[in-house]
Amino acid sequence: EVQLLESGGGLVQPGGSLRLSCAASGFTFGSYAINWVRQAPGKRLECVSSITSSGASTYYADSVRGRFTISRDNSKNTLYLQMNSLRAEDTAVYYCAKDQRSWNSGGMDVWGQGTTVTVSS
Amino acid sequence: QSALTQPRSVSGSPGQSVTISCTGTSTDVGGYDYVSWYQQYPGKAPKLMIYDVNKRPSGVPDRFSGSKSGNMASLTISGLQAEDEADYYCCSYAGNVVFGGGTNLTVL
Repeated sequence: EVQLLESGGGLVQPGGSLRLSCAASGFTFGSYAINWVRQAPGKRLECVSSITSSGASTYYADSVRGRFTISRDNSKNTLYLQMNSLRAEDTAVYYCAKDQRSWNSGGMDVWGQGTTVTVSS
Repeated sequence: QSALTQPRSVSGSPGQSVTISCTGTSTDVGGYDYVSWYQQYPGKAPKLMIYDVNKRPSGVPDRFSGSKSGNMASLTISGLQAEDEADYYCCSYAGNVVFGGGTNLTVL
């Protein structure tokens, strides 16, 4: 079964750090771009970061650039998102989503169940 | 990157057709044939319904169709069913990936 499973969410104070992980199974992980998409309560979807299949290219939304770092380990079929200097506005459900291509075309055909990040004192 | 523009809500009766618009610019929707549409139920992960403007993934009913003209893309759902009631998001490649604001579909 094709599956993505996020972990690492939780409650963190403003200015703190978290590292999200996304474990993939059921497909050739190293052949596809992967995205981190978040959704704040009652808000729209936002692609905060993407990484190409090889890991050679990455993308960050303006809202997280310089604070978040995306990486992947194709030998472990795992994607990561290191989140530093967290702010209240980073509070959201974070999904990892597999793209249909080796680059982030926007056609995300497999999604994880999401992990909740809450930034609050 | 600004979000794509979608109507906040649309509605239709069972059996009818509804169309959800998604307006962007020449640097996103109008510039590439990489528009996708997602269906999302409350508390659930989004599901890909249309990709590359008008292609349906395996398992998506052919009641769902996509199109594009200039800077505007559209999702049409024909033969509305109660289970179609959900939020729908458009998404476009723009060098990066940008989503629309989402449209809530109500089946009356």
